[in-house]
Amino acid sequence: KAGVTQTPRYLIKTRGQQVTLSCSPISGHRSVSWYQQTPGQGLQFLFEYFSETQRNKGNFPGRFSGRQFSNSRSEMNVSTLELGDSALYLCASSPNTQGPQETQYFGPGTRLLVL
Amino acid sequence: AQSVAQPEDQVNVAEGNPLTVKCTYSVSGNPYLFWYVQYPNRGLQFLLKYITGDNLVKGSYGFEAEFNKSQTSFHLKKPSALVSDSALYFCAVRARTAGNMLTFGGGTRLMVKP
Repeated sequence: KAGVTQTPRYLIKTRGQQVTLSCSPISGHRSVSWYQQTPGQGLQFLFEYFSETQRNKGNFPGRFSGRQFSNSRSEMNVSTLELGDSALYLCASSPNTQGPQETQYFGPGTRLLVL
Repeated sequence: AQSVAQPEDQVNVAEGNPLTVKCTYSVSGNPYLFWYVQYPNRGLQFLLKYITGDNLVKGSYGFEAEFNKSQTSFHLKKPSALVSDSALYFCAVRARTAGNMLTFGGGTRLMVKP
C-alpha cells in the first residue's frame, strides 16, 4: 500500500497570505489528523477528521482550519499567515477500527516557511 | 490532561553498545504509549506501541520498550546500536478518551558514533 502523501512538500509564503496543504491517507484509512512541528513547541496536535467531520481539535487559533472529503483526503488551511506559522506540518492517518490503541501513520510533511 | 517528558535532549552511544532513550508520561486511566522515529526531512515512522499485557514490547529494527506502571515510564531500548539508528526519537501517549490525538514528548536526538 502507498503511504500517506502530502502536497506540496515545500512552500514559501509571506505574512498575511493564506495557504492550503493537502493530505491523502493510506488507502482504507478514514481518520486523518494534523500536527504542527516546530523547534520551539515540538509536535502539537492541530485537529482530527473522520467521516468529513472534525472530531477533535487542539489549542490553535481559528486561523487554522481543515476539512475532509468523502474519499478521506484532507486539507488544512491557514489564513493570515504569521512568521510563527513556519513549521513542518504533518498529516497522519489511521483506519479508525481499533479505538485508542490504533497506530497513526505519518506522511513526510509539508515544510512551510513564512517570510 | 496528558503529558510526556523526554528528559534527555540528546543521547550519545557508541556503535555496538546498548542504548536507552527515556520517556515518562502522565495520563488519566490506562495509557496507550507509542514510539516514533524521525529521520532528516522525513515524517515520523512508527516503531512500537504498548497497549496492555506484557511490559516488554518488541518493535521494528530491533527496538524494544519497557513499560513500568509504577514509575510511569516507557523507555526505548536496543541491545546493540547501529550508526544508522542516529535520528530523532519521539515518545507519545494517548488517553482512552482523547480520540486519536497523540501527545508527544519533546524528542531525543540519538547519536551513534562508529
